[in-house]
Amino acid sequence: KQEVTQIPAALSVPEGENLVLNCSFTDSAIYNLQWFRQDPGKGLTSLLLIQSSQREQTSGRLNASLDKSSGRSTLYIAASQPGDSATYLCAVREFQGAQKLVFGQGTRLTINP
Amino acid sequence: NAGVTQTPKFQVLKTGQSMTLQCAQDMNHEYMSWYRQDPGMGLRLIHYSVGAGITDQGEVPNGYNVSRSTTEDFPLRLLSAAPSQTSVYFCASSPRLAEETQYFGPGTRLLVL
Repeated sequence: KQEVTQIPAALSVPEGENLVLNCSFTDSAIYNLQWFRQDPGKGLTSLLLIQSSQREQTSGRLNASLDKSSGRSTLYIAASQPGDSATYLCAVREFQGAQKLVFGQGTRLTINP
Repeated sequence: NAGVTQTPKFQVLKTGQSMTLQCAQDMNHEYMSWYRQDPGMGLRLIHYSVGAGITDQGEVPNGYNVSRSTTEDFPLRLLSAAPSQTSVYFCASSPRLAEETQYFGPGTRLLVL
């Protein structure tokens, strides 16, 4: 059974710092991996999608990498801002069956002004 | 283009009552799904649909029914609400089953007393 783990569960850093969020998964048979952002009481907003054949994706100050063989992904946020404060979720799309998204528990990020 | 919409935003039910959570998308997406989000459990797939007239069970389908009579709508029915169904429910859609980004609705917060 696929399991997705995100470390740390919570992170608090001062504004302007570069930071890395980690995601690991147990089964490398995935279609893709997606990073989401969730603000309190809101839905999920897709940030980056990395197909299984890709190594990384970039969008603005965000860069996500994927190492399928080791079951790891990182989300790098450059020059963090208070508006980046949110919970970040990673999810892998399973290759088999329902091809559902399997989510990690998330990292709650706080950027202090 | 409203994306994925969900109604209601919040609902309180008594044990044994039934209700329908509405989900609609205006992006002509084939794939739609329902997830529930619980503290400590993350997001889990309830039911999904790969197109009009086709639905299937996800990870936690018990107590829920779905139907997909049109491409746009994917309602989730609770037949006899139980306190264990207290959760936040998210509807999601994507163009096809596996390759593309999942778009999520804003969620419905359900409390069953």
